Amino acid sequence: AQSVAQPEDQVNVAEGNPLTVKCTYSVSGNPYLFWYVQYPNRGLQFLLKYITGDNLVKGSYGFEAEFNKSQTSFHLKKPSALVSDSALYFCAVRDRGSTLGRLYFGRGTQLTVWP
Amino acid sequence: SAVISQKPSRDICQRGTSLTIQCQVDSQVTMMFWYRQQPGQSLTLIATANQGSEATYESGFVIDKFPISRPNLTFSTLTVSNMSPEDSSIYLCSVGQGPNTEAFFGQGTRLTVV
Repeated sequence: AQSVAQPEDQVNVAEGNPLTVKCTYSVSGNPYLFWYVQYPNRGLQFLLKYITGDNLVKGSYGFEAEFNKSQTSFHLKKPSALVSDSALYFCAVRDRGSTLGRLYFGRGTQLTVWP
Repeated sequence: SAVISQKPSRDICQRGTSLTIQCQVDSQVTMMFWYRQQPGQSLTLIATANQGSEATYESGFVIDKFPISRPNLTFSTLTVSNMSPEDSSIYLCSVGQGPNTEAFFGQGTRLTVV
């Protein structure tokens, strides 16, 4: 069964500090991995994805994530946090063999960046 | 990318009534998905809607409660039938073009049942 774990409900960082939002996954095959961000009263916005190739992927707004196959992790990172990064972040996984293309989401991590 | 227009953005409904949510995409897409996001929680897939076939429902969701239409490659509706306060949630439409592409989401419909 496919599942995604985001072990932290909340992450708090000071502006200018690096941030990490953790994600681990479990899929029956090889995964496609995604990060989304949700601002209040908005839908989900795509940040970045891992499909194949370089384990470090770069995405929107200065975010990046590292795919670690041995640890089945896909942590989201940013070298220097901004107050405007405060939002709800979701990790999602899709099985490469899936014909339906559905995504499995983690429960979300609320990121708060303090000025 | 795909731009998704979802209507209504919010509604307050009486219990026992039904609400139909519309999802319009600016391009033809193969797969459309309907999710529910309860307050403070993650997204739960309700069903997958492919044009020309019956929607595929996830465990815990049934067609009588959440009928879905998919008349063409750019449009879908989700109806929440015989509503109760437990149906209060955000409902999100999503589209996908293939397994290695990102999904795009509508703005969501915030439903409150009183």
